[in-house]
Amino acid sequence: NAGVMQNPRHLVRRRGQEARLRCSPMKGHSHVYWYRQLPEEGLKFMVYLQKENIIDESGMPKERFSAEFPKEGPSILRIQQVVRGDSAAYFCASSPRAGLYEQYFGPGTRLTVT
Amino acid sequence: GESVGLHLPTLSVQEGDNSIINCAYSNSASDYFIWYKQESGKGPQFIIDIRSNMDKRQGQRVTVLLNKTVKHLSLQIAATQPGDSAVYFCAENGRAAGNKLTFGGGTRVLVKP
Repeated sequence: NAGVMQNPRHLVRRRGQEARLRCSPMKGHSHVYWYRQLPEEGLKFMVYLQKENIIDESGMPKERFSAEFPKEGPSILRIQQVVRGDSAAYFCASSPRAGLYEQYFGPGTRLTVT
Repeated sequence: GESVGLHLPTLSVQEGDNSIINCAYSNSASDYFIWYKQESGKGPQFIIDIRSNMDKRQGQRVTVLLNKTVKHLSLQIAATQPGDSAVYFCAENGRAAGNKLTFGGGTRVLVKP
């Protein structure tokens, strides 16, 4: 039973380029969450999605960031016109149902903006 | 705003000893708590969880204690092993918060042989 998959594991982008991060949840999980982690800090919530719906995007920056979880395929976190401050580890988690249940994390994508 | 924080940023422990990692939370509406372990370069790994209607829960070599009166959470690791060296995070969730987890800043555990 494969866990949460994320790709790429490492991504280098120049300022102004676009970054696309992908997440495939665990089999049977339809709830996906994205978190961002700066070095030596805890994870910060960004967005919560179910299939084809954004449920909570209260942690997403208002500009340049977007997320989707289509009916088919992985969830995508998209960052347009990246800046150096976007450099961080981005983690995806999934859970089997809504409510207060454990979230299982993927290995993360480490984004470096040069 | 509401937050979850940790008392000790780094904990050094002798192999074979017990470890105790502490966490204070400030949101009295929190219903659910999780401890995660994160090794360098990896994602957080679920260790154990506890709901607010409990004050203790045990797993394999780990015990989580919840004191709602003082809003304090702890993780006890018995017979600490070198493989336990990692950063440990507590995270909380509550019905008012929806499904998003609020993480503390992390405690680094270093196991000395």
